[in-house]
Amino acid sequence: GQQLNQNPQSMFIQEGEDVSMNCTSSSIFNTWLWYKQDPGEGPVLLIALYKAGELTSNGRLTAQFGITRKDSFLNISASIPSDVGIYFCAGQKADSNYQLIWGAGTKLIIKP
Amino acid sequence: NAGVTQTPKFQVLKTGQSMTLQCAQDMNHNSMYWYRQDPGMGLRLIYYSASEGTTDKGEVPNGYNVSRLNKREFSLRLESAAPSQTSVYFCASKGTGVTYEQYFGPGTRLTVT
Repeated sequence: GQQLNQNPQSMFIQEGEDVSMNCTSSSIFNTWLWYKQDPGEGPVLLIALYKAGELTSNGRLTAQFGITRKDSFLNISASIPSDVGIYFCAGQKADSNYQLIWGAGTKLIIKP
Repeated sequence: NAGVTQTPKFQVLKTGQSMTLQCAQDMNHNSMYWYRQDPGMGLRLIYYSASEGTTDKGEVPNGYNVSRLNKREFSLRLESAAPSQTSVYFCASKGTGVTYEQYFGPGTRLTVT
C-alpha cells in the first residue's frame, strides 16, 4: 500500500492566495518529485528534488526536500485559476532504482 | 516528438472480455511503467519494465499481463476483465542515468460492466 502521507487532501483557495502542501513518510527517500494532473490528462512533472535541504523553484512554485529526507513541501504563490488540479508527490526510496512511491494527491479548488 | 502515447483513450468492456492497452514512447527511454488510478488512491504500479526484455510486478499485478515488445512499446493485457478493473490506466517512461523522473501518457479510461 501507499507509504506517503500527502496533506491536505483538498483545499479551497481564493485567487491570489498562497498555497502550501506536504508529503511525509516514515521512510527515507533519495528523490522527491512533484506532479500536477489536470482533469482528463496524465500527470505532468513540475519539480524534481535530489538533495536533502534542496529548494527549487519553477515560476510561482517552490518545492523543498526536507532535511530529514522523510518529507517534502510544495508552495504555490499568488494562485491563479489555472492552478486548479490535483498535485501529487512521489518519492524514490534508497532501495529502489525503478519504482516511485506516490501520495494520494492534493486537490486544489478555486473558491467562486 | 510526441512523448508517451496511449491507445485507446476510452474503452468499455463486458465482464470476461479481454483487451490490450497500447503504449509507446519516442524519447529513447529504457524504463516503462503501467499504473492504474482510482479516485482518492493516487497511482498504483501494476507492472514495470526496467529495460527492453525485462518485466517486473508492481504493487497490483493480479489480473494483468505485460509485454515489452521493443524499446518503444509496452503493452498491458487484461485476459478476463472484471468490474474491479474499472479505472484510468496510465503508461509512463523514464530515461537512463541518475534520474527518477517519469513522463506520463494521457491515459486510457476503462469501464468494465
